[in-house]
Amino acid sequence: GAGVSQSPSNKVTEKGKDVELRCDPISGHTALYWYRQSLGQGLEFLIYFQGNSAPDKSGLPSDRFSAERTGGSVSTLTIQRTQQEDSAVYLCASRPGTPNTGELFFGEGSRLTVL
Amino acid sequence: GNSVTQMEGPVTLSEEAFLTINCTYTATGYPSLFWYVQYPGEGLQLLLKATKADDKGSNKGFEATYRKETTSFHLEKGSVQVSDSAVYFCALLNQAGTALIFGKGTTLSVSS
Repeated sequence: GAGVSQSPSNKVTEKGKDVELRCDPISGHTALYWYRQSLGQGLEFLIYFQGNSAPDKSGLPSDRFSAERTGGSVSTLTIQRTQQEDSAVYLCASRPGTPNTGELFFGEGSRLTVL
Repeated sequence: GNSVTQMEGPVTLSEEAFLTINCTYTATGYPSLFWYVQYPGEGLQLLLKATKADDKGSNKGFEATYRKETTSFHLEKGSVQVSDSAVYFCALLNQAGTALIFGKGTTLSVSS
């Protein structure tokens, strides 16, 4: 497809389980972002990938969160030992390379519910 | 550090009413400023932007002017429509030019 694709669209898991969320960016976009959207908290930056550079992980809330981007395309966000406070919508976005105009192209998100 | 503060919602208006959603920011220097919109069931999309002081961004009847004196970027529309019902996010581009910093979002509900 032409847009950013995320899967699964909905995920319900039990506290303590690990989850993986996938993002397939727009073809040719070298920059990829993960954000978290929580009720009342807005959009929280998690991690940023740009080409082959080391990712900016400054937004990851704890060491239970990690992300990788294989081959400069698909990205996976992994949450280990999920907690109830991890419940949120996880958004992926991509954009072409430099310069950064600030226009990000977002997917529809993966809604995570931790019971 | 960088931050964006926008008015709390929800904002409830009748069709054809005037809309203002306030947004102020804290940042080093003069970052590019943005409004994004999230329609029900859709991903966020860029609505408008301004890259320097006194610039006015506009799109779909919405406008916002970059005011460095008041560090603000308020969103306005003269006559809202039911189809404008959505969540609106104000954002700035961080100094490194790498990530967008978003406000918490304002929900707009327009009734006919």
